[in-house]
Amino acid sequence: DVKVTQSSRYLVKRTGEKVFLECVQDMDHENMFWYRQDPGLGLRLIYFSYDVKMKEKGDIPEGYSVSREKKERFSLILESASTNQTSMYLCASSLPMDTEAFFGQGTRLTVV
Amino acid sequence: GQQVMQIPQYQHVQEGEDFTTYCNSSTTLSNIQWYKQRPGGHPVFLIQLVKSGEVKKQKRLTFQFGEAKKNSSLHITATQTTDVGTYFCAGHTGKLIFGQGTTLQVKP
Repeated sequence: DVKVTQSSRYLVKRTGEKVFLECVQDMDHENMFWYRQDPGLGLRLIYFSYDVKMKEKGDIPEGYSVSREKKERFSLILESASTNQTSMYLCASSLPMDTEAFFGQGTRLTVV
Repeated sequence: GQQVMQIPQYQHVQEGEDFTTYCNSSTTLSNIQWYKQRPGGHPVFLIQLVKSGEVKKQKRLTFQFGEAKKNSSLHITATQTTDVGTYFCAGHTGKLIFGQGTTLQVKP
């Protein structure tokens, strides 16, 4: 069965902390995505990666960076967490060529 | 950048009524996908439409892709309480962009 696993379900961090959100997929997918979900705004794309060490900015990359050193793992980094980054973060993966995306269970991050 | 707009944001229906959500893109899409997110869950893929004017059905759900490949709709006939959730469209133009979603509430 297809699996995308996010390292934490809930996370509380302090303003200014460096935060790492980890995502691992076991399907040998080339594409991986990070979204944030906020009420009324849907899923907004932060970054995506179509291959190891390759990344592209999504619609809201400011304040975030990503790392993809291995095909199965895609990390989202908040360089200096701020309260406006409190949100639900969703990781997804897919095969190339516009195929369906599989989502992780999400990480609800609260920055205090 | 590319935008995918979805309306309405919320819809409350009586069980047995029909429901429709609409999706519009600012650019032509290579394909459109639909996802459902149950309360407390994560988005789950429902279907993908690729061809201009394409119509697909899954039981009570009917999906359409516009002739210009810039809009799409999802219609549910005779809603049931199990249809509750948020429905998202997502368009592909090299990256996967989601609409804001339509949250469906069904009153038994």
